[in-house]
Amino acid sequence: ILNVEQSPQSLHVQEGDSTNFTCSFPSSNFYALHWYRWETAKSPEALFVMTLNGDEKKKGRISATLNTKEGYSYLYIKGSQPEDSATYLCAFNRGGGATNKLIFGTGTLLAVQP
Amino acid sequence: EPEVTQTPSHQVTQMGQEVILRCVPISNHLYFYWYRQILGQKVEFLVSFYNNEISEKSEIFDDQFSVERPDGSNFTLKIRSTKLEDSAMYFCASSGERGWSDTQYFGPGTRLTVL
Repeated sequence: ILNVEQSPQSLHVQEGDSTNFTCSFPSSNFYALHWYRWETAKSPEALFVMTLNGDEKKKGRISATLNTKEGYSYLYIKGSQPEDSATYLCAFNRGGGATNKLIFGTGTLLAVQP
Repeated sequence: EPEVTQTPSHQVTQMGQEVILRCVPISNHLYFYWYRQILGQKVEFLVSFYNNEISEKSEIFDDQFSVERPDGSNFTLKIRSTKLEDSAMYFCASSGERGWSDTQYFGPGTRLTVL
């Protein structure tokens, strides 16, 4: 059974703090790792799709790194703002051309206090 | 910016009734998906659809479920005889021609409550 784990489950930080969370996934047959940002009652917003070992991607104050050999990805938020409060989901794809199915982690709930 | 839309946002139904959840994917996308999240659990894959047929389905997607792209713009999920355990948030998603390496864009979800 493929399992994607995220930690921590929830995080409370102060405005201006930098923070990071982890996504762990099976390292065999890796094809892609997706990060999403999900605010309640809204569509999950796609942040990154990462496919190569050592990949680093950045979008504004949010960045992500990927280590496919050891099976983890880190998401960093620099200088957290209240509007960053959301659940951050990672999802793993291992099938390449055989499947587009995403296997999701449980998410990290981030709350940024002003 | 193009987005995936879903209707209704909330559907309440009696056990045993049929429901149809509707989605309008992004117009030039080729792959379509349904996922669901039961309260407190992970988002889980139900089915993917490509070239007018199911390309993959999970073990959850049994004979009670069906999908259709009736008119080239809508993508629907039908549950023939709902059960209490079908209560969940159902998400539609779509992606472009690159398949597995492409971003899947999600709609806002339909919350299905089965009484």
